[in-house]
Amino acid sequence: AQSVTQPDIHITVSEGASLELRCNYSYGATPYLFWYVQSPGQGLQLLLKYFSGDTLVQGIKGFEAEFKRSQSSFNLRKPSVHWSDAAEYFCAVGAAAGGGNKLTFGTGTQLKVEL
Amino acid sequence: DGGITQSPKYLFRKEGQNVTLSCEQNLNHDAMYWYRQDPGQGLRLIYYSHIVNDFQKGDIAEGYSVSREKKESFPLTVTSAQKNPTAFYLCASSPGRQQETQYFGPGTRLLVL
Repeated sequence: AQSVTQPDIHITVSEGASLELRCNYSYGATPYLFWYVQSPGQGLQLLLKYFSGDTLVQGIKGFEAEFKRSQSSFNLRKPSVHWSDAAEYFCAVGAAAGGGNKLTFGTGTQLKVEL
Repeated sequence: DGGITQSPKYLFRKEGQNVTLSCEQNLNHDAMYWYRQDPGQGLRLIYYSHIVNDFQKGDIAEGYSVSREKKESFPLTVTSAQKNPTAFYLCASSPGRQQETQYFGPGTRLLVL
């Protein structure tokens, strides 16, 4: 069975600083990987996804992630954080399940941005 | 405006009561999913359905039931057998093919009186 580890529960960065959120996965085959963001009391919004091809993936809001098979990682990065990026971030791995994917989520990383 | 709607936003359950959470999508997606979110635990899959009139249990199906009579609707019932129902419930949908993204609704927060 697949699993996802997000080792950082909370991260605080200053506005304008760079950001890296860590994600490690366990999956026997080629994974489908996702990063979602959630504002308090809201649903999840997709930031980016990796299915195959180029291992550096660009997403919305200036985010990017790099798939490293050798390290089983899919870390999320942003060169300059804005105060509006404060939210909870979830990494997920997808496994084929009939007509669709079953997603397994990490426990999330809460990002705080200091002004 | 295409999307996923969940209602109500807040729901209160009394002891021994069954309650039903609504999820509707107008994206013409075949697959729909229900997740439960608890603080510090991420999202856990309750039930999913890849086609009308068919659904499968996820990782934490005990105490929950679903139906999929229409493509656009996937209601979740929290039964009295679910002893710890207080959580944030999220519905999602996807086109229904592999390698497809799941899109999420705004969620329903269930509280126990």
